[in-house]
Amino acid sequence: GENVEQHPSTLSVQEGDSAVIKCTYSDSASNYFPWYKQELGKGPQLIIDIRSNVGEKKDQRIAVTLNKTAKHFSLHITETQPEDSAVYFCAATNNAGNMLTFGGGTRLMVKP
Amino acid sequence: GAVVSQHPSRVICKSGTSVKIECRSLDFQATTMFWYRQFPKQSLMLMATSNEGSKATYEQGVEKDKFLINHASLTLSTLTVTSAHPEDSSFYICSARDQVAGAKRVFGPGTRLTVL
Repeated sequence: GENVEQHPSTLSVQEGDSAVIKCTYSDSASNYFPWYKQELGKGPQLIIDIRSNVGEKKDQRIAVTLNKTAKHFSLHITETQPEDSAVYFCAATNNAGNMLTFGGGTRLMVKP
Repeated sequence: GAVVSQHPSRVICKSGTSVKIECRSLDFQATTMFWYRQFPKQSLMLMATSNEGSKATYEQGVEKDKFLINHASLTLSTLTVTSAHPEDSSFYICSARDQVAGAKRVFGPGTRLTVL
């Protein structure tokens, strides 16, 4: 089955700096890679996703890159703000979508 | 956008009692819903896949007689924790696939279960 590894487990940045979270996956059949933000006591919220037919996707301050050959994808947050502080999860799945495998999560802390 | 709700948001119960958690897709139909369990500072762990009109598929190590799942309609799945014990205390999160949106998953807000 699919195995997703996520690094780092914790990340502390100064407000305004950039944050990068990296994930690797094992199953070459995976073709959909969502990223979720989870605030304390809440469910995960989809913030951005990418499909395997593109290499990069951007939405305002967040962007995701995908390297299919190396089987890794990354989340980039620019101009971080204190409200970006949360736990971020990467995930991978195939088109059937029934098996969504999560990474271990990254706790991002943005210091004002 | 697609929204999934959960009820209750938090519940405290005595050991030995049963607790039912509801998961609803509010503006879309979901033939498949997923139930996760999350311990503090850990990732989401899939417990079972709930299929409308058929039996749920449980992940290895999850007791189906303890965690009863019913998916009676295209918008509602329920998880019942039977004879709850303190070790069942956790954050339970459901998710549904928005069929129109392909593989995209929508997550509920979670239910905090505390068993005394």
